[in-house]
Amino acid sequence: DTAVSQTPKYLVTQMGNDKSIKCEQNLGHDTMYWYKQDSKKFLKIMFSYNNKELIINETVPNRFSPKSPDKAHLNLHINSLELGDSAVYFCASSLGTGHGYTFGSGTRLTVV
Amino acid sequence: DAKTTQPPSMDCAEGRAANLPCNHSTISGNEYVYWYRQIHSQGPQYIIHGLKNNETNEMASLIITEDRKSSTLILPHATLRDTAVYYCIVLSYNTDKLIFGTGTRLQVFP
Repeated sequence: DTAVSQTPKYLVTQMGNDKSIKCEQNLGHDTMYWYKQDSKKFLKIMFSYNNKELIINETVPNRFSPKSPDKAHLNLHINSLELGDSAVYFCASSLGTGHGYTFGSGTRLTVV
Repeated sequence: DAKTTQPPSMDCAEGRAANLPCNHSTISGNEYVYWYRQIHSQGPQYIIHGLKNNETNEMASLIITEDRKSSTLILPHATLRDTAVYYCIVLSYNTDKLIFGTGTRLQVFP
């Protein structure tokens, strides 16, 4: 199936741990994104990458570090997890400006 | 990017047309109107977008007023599976940063 796939779907971890969320798209898109949806359901963009190059960084704490090994993958690594990091994280991809985004199904991160 | 205003919630009977309004009075000439929806616990789904002409695809129709200050998303025959939060977003063609507002929660009832 052509899609944006994220793993894991659920992640429960303790404060202070380091965790990664992986994202892969097989749509041939050039641009990938990470969005965070908090408990109030507000969706906020965090990062975007175009052909492995960081384009958007929305004043996200340095504990969050995206990594794009190739244009089909954009992983999100989070250091020293805090309670406030609990949210659903969505990966997305697009062909670039003027084109619609395709979103993954999300990763629900719970920090305890 | 221009800001949009949508009603927080709407109801629609199954089988009827759902008309979701959006105001974007500060839209500028190079900004498109995009519509996405988010069905509970899923990732947002692209529906349709347009610049100034009305647009139609297999999911919906988009009607943009002549002055481009408002638009309406039409789901011609709403089904229970159309229950979702619908987001109207204005996006400049050269910024590529989708900014989501609070959207309209559409409840389709039997």
